Amino acid sequence: GAVVSQHPSWVICKSGTSVKIECRSLDFQATTMFWYRQFPKQSLMLMATSNEGSKATYEQGVEKDKFLINHASLTLSTLTVTSAHPEDSSFYICSATSRDGTDTQYFGPGTRLTVL
Amino acid sequence: DAKTTQPNSMESNEEEPVHLPCNHSTISGTDYIHWYRQLPSQGPEYVIHGLTSNVNNRMASLAIAEDRKSSTLILHRATLRDAAVYYCILKHMDSNYQLIWGAGTKLIIKP
Repeated sequence: GAVVSQHPSWVICKSGTSVKIECRSLDFQATTMFWYRQFPKQSLMLMATSNEGSKATYEQGVEKDKFLINHASLTLSTLTVTSAHPEDSSFYICSATSRDGTDTQYFGPGTRLTVL
Repeated sequence: DAKTTQPNSMESNEEEPVHLPCNHSTISGTDYIHWYRQLPSQGPEYVIHGLTSNVNNRMASLAIAEDRKSSTLILHRATLRDAAVYYCILKHMDSNYQLIWGAGTKLIIKP
């Protein structure tokens, strides 16, 4: 089946620093990638939708200058949390849809971000 | 976007079948019914999806009501590894592949 990886799986950083999270589709080309955020015991919240070679579309309330998304190729998207603060601590998950028309989203394992 | 309603939690015994219900009374004719599950501290995992007819795969079965206003995910023989939060999601076929996530059902498996 289709596999999506994320790196790193967890990261701890100091307040004010920037953190980059990578999302890769390992065995398929992804037309669209999505970034979600999930707080403890809550459901997933869509942050942005990213199409290869174009600017990401952000959901209402998500600061595009704080959460920078780059989708440089059909297999790689990155999310950079700039000037991170403790309230940005969360579980960040990416997903990707393949070009095979099955309309299935494949999810990465998630990245646990803790900002001190 | 059409919404779904699921019980907050369910319990089942190991090695017994589990029926997870989902109500989606405002479903439109072009909405697919998707099920995903999420194990603790992991990303969601695709389980199954369907449109009108019942569907079977190696993980589960999906039974869709004739009026499509409800569906049931069936795990034929639950194991401890099936303990997860199960999400029932409607996705319009013309949307930009967005999945709108509800609260899901936390499935507890008792040994």
